Amino acid sequence: GAVVSQHPSWVICKSGTSVKIECRSLDFQATTMFWYRQFPKQSLMLMATSNEGSKATYEQGVEKDKFLINHASLTLSTLTVTSAHPEDSSFYICSGWTGAGNQPQHFGDGTRLSIL
Amino acid sequence: AQTVTQSQPEMSVQEAETVTLSCTYDTSENNYYLFWYKQPPSRQMILVIRQEAYKQQNATENRFSVNFQKAAKSFSLKISDSQLGDTAMYFCALRSSGSARQLTFGSGTQLTVLP
Repeated sequence: GAVVSQHPSWVICKSGTSVKIECRSLDFQATTMFWYRQFPKQSLMLMATSNEGSKATYEQGVEKDKFLINHASLTLSTLTVTSAHPEDSSFYICSGWTGAGNQPQHFGDGTRLSIL
Repeated sequence: AQTVTQSQPEMSVQEAETVTLSCTYDTSENNYYLFWYKQPPSRQMILVIRQEAYKQQNATENRFSVNFQKAAKSFSLKISDSQLGDTAMYFCALRSSGSARQLTFGSGTQLTVLP
């Protein structure tokens, strides 16, 4: 089946630093990548949608200067949390989609981000 | 706007028994796709089953099947012969064929399979 590789799986860093999360589709071309944030025991909250070669579309309330998304190729998207603070601590999940309507999104394993 | 509602925050079932998870949705689109994902404690999102709205036949995947009632906008998941490994959070999700192609997720149902 389709595989999405997400790294790192867990990162702990000091407040004020920037953290980059990488998401790669290993065996399919992801024309669209989605980035989610998930709080414990809650559903996935869509942060942004990115199409290869285009600027990401951010959901209402998500700061685009805070969460920088790059989708430079059909197999790679990155999320950079800039100047991270403790309130940014969360579980971040990416997913890739081919763009075909009947195809599901394929999810990465997620990144647990802890800001001290 | 489209919505997905899962009215059962938690459920439990005895091993080897059958359990049904409920999901209702609302969309103005005529063509759309429905999915069930499971998220075990490892937090990996795993596709369980999918249904295309224009197909009347209910989808099945081994022990997992759905009861898709388009007129009622209902999409329940039935798990037969429940196994301990089925313990997970289950999310129902909807994607319309319109311009907004992202998934809309329900709030999830935490299923616990008891030995």
